[in-house]
Amino acid sequence: GEDVEQSLFLSVREGDSSVINCTYTDSSSTYLYWYKQEPGAGLQLLTYIFSNMDMKQDQRLTVLLNKKDKHLSLRIADTQTGDSAIYFCAVLLTGGGNKLTFGTGTQLKVEL
Amino acid sequence: DTGVSQDPRHKITKRGQNVTFRCDPISEHNRLYWYRQTLGQGPEFLTYFQNEAQLEKSRLLSDRFSAERPKGSFSTLEIQRTEQGDSAMYLCASSFDSSTDTQYFGPGTRLTVL
Repeated sequence: GEDVEQSLFLSVREGDSSVINCTYTDSSSTYLYWYKQEPGAGLQLLTYIFSNMDMKQDQRLTVLLNKKDKHLSLRIADTQTGDSAIYFCAVLLTGGGNKLTFGTGTQLKVEL
Repeated sequence: DTGVSQDPRHKITKRGQNVTFRCDPISEHNRLYWYRQTLGQGPEFLTYFQNEAQLEKSRLLSDRFSAERPKGSFSTLEIQRTEQGDSAMYLCASSFDSSTDTQYFGPGTRLTVL
């Protein structure tokens, strides 16, 4: 089955850029998503990218997809304390039903 | 607010008891999903419905788990004879049948089995 991996922690200073990385194994991915989860809460959809795209920008968020290396990244510009949360990448596969396969999440800590 | 809602938000039960959770999807969404999230992990797929039909179930969904969506609107997830290993956050998501199938999540129900 699909395996999605993320680094566990990232610490940045307020105002810097954050880059959260994700790798996946199945090349038949169709859509790839980034979700944000704050403590005790559900998942908030941040953005998504279709597998035939290389990049998508949405305000402070930039998603880069390297399909050859099966690598996805989320860049947050001008990171704020309110961005502190756990960030999950998730992959939707062709022929994988409609289930999302999630990574283990990256905890982003923004320091003053 | 017209997002996905779940009830209850928290449930504490004793081992061996039955529990039932409810999910109300976004009103125009015809697909509904259940996921389970344990501490420190990403959500894992349990099952999904298109309208009232349950189209896929994970191996994680043992015989003690049953999900329904009788009228294609809200859904219930029941766990019978709960075990301590069932303690987790149960997340519901919904989507509209389209090419992106973007799933929107509810706040979750946190289950603690004592």
